[in-house]
Amino acid sequence: GQQVMQIPQYQHVQEGEDFTTYCNSSTTLSNIQWYKQRPGGHPVFLIQLVKSGEVKKQKRLTFQFGEAKKNSSLHITATQTTDVGTYFCAGPDSGGSNYKLTFGKGTLLTVNP
Amino acid sequence: DAGVTQSPTHLIKTRGQHVTLRCSPISGHKSVSWYQQVLGQGPQFIFQYYEKEERGRGNFPDRFSARQFPNYSSELNVNALLLGDSALYLCASSPSGIVSQPQHFGDGTRLSIL
Repeated sequence: GQQVMQIPQYQHVQEGEDFTTYCNSSTTLSNIQWYKQRPGGHPVFLIQLVKSGEVKKQKRLTFQFGEAKKNSSLHITATQTTDVGTYFCAGPDSGGSNYKLTFGKGTLLTVNP
Repeated sequence: DAGVTQSPTHLIKTRGQHVTLRCSPISGHKSVSWYQQVLGQGPQFIFQYYEKEERGRGNFPDRFSARQFPNYSSELNVNALLLGDSALYLCASSPSGIVSQPQHFGDGTRLSIL
């Protein structure tokens, strides 16, 4: 079955340092979504990427979708303590369904003030 | 506008019991999806319902069932609970459930099996 893999599993940074998490799919994706889950909270939608090579920015967050549409990355510039949480990527199931999302295991980001 | 609401927030059960979890979607959303999230893992798809019909299910046993009501709220039922069913159960709604739409998650129900 389809696999969505994320690395690293954990990342601890000093406040002000940059952070990047990578997402790789075993199959080509029609789109990819990113979610953030704060400790004790629920996943919150951040962004969706659809086009090959697409790059989108949200303030200090930069999202990229690979040319082959099998990988994606999230980069945070100058992390802040408010960035703490687990970042998940999610893509459509490879079985052809148009409704099932497969999530990666996530990258847990902790920030030391 | 209210977001996705789930009840109860926490639940403790023992092995062999059954449980019913409830979810109310965002107003106007017709699709509800259920996910299981084990500690340290990403949400895993259980079911999706759209217009009261099951669209599909993930790799979960028949002990898991769900339904959607005319007002688009939903219930997830789990029978013969096992220790491994301990998890955060998340409900997510979207207008029509297709994967190009963002999923709006509720706060979840934390289920503990003793």
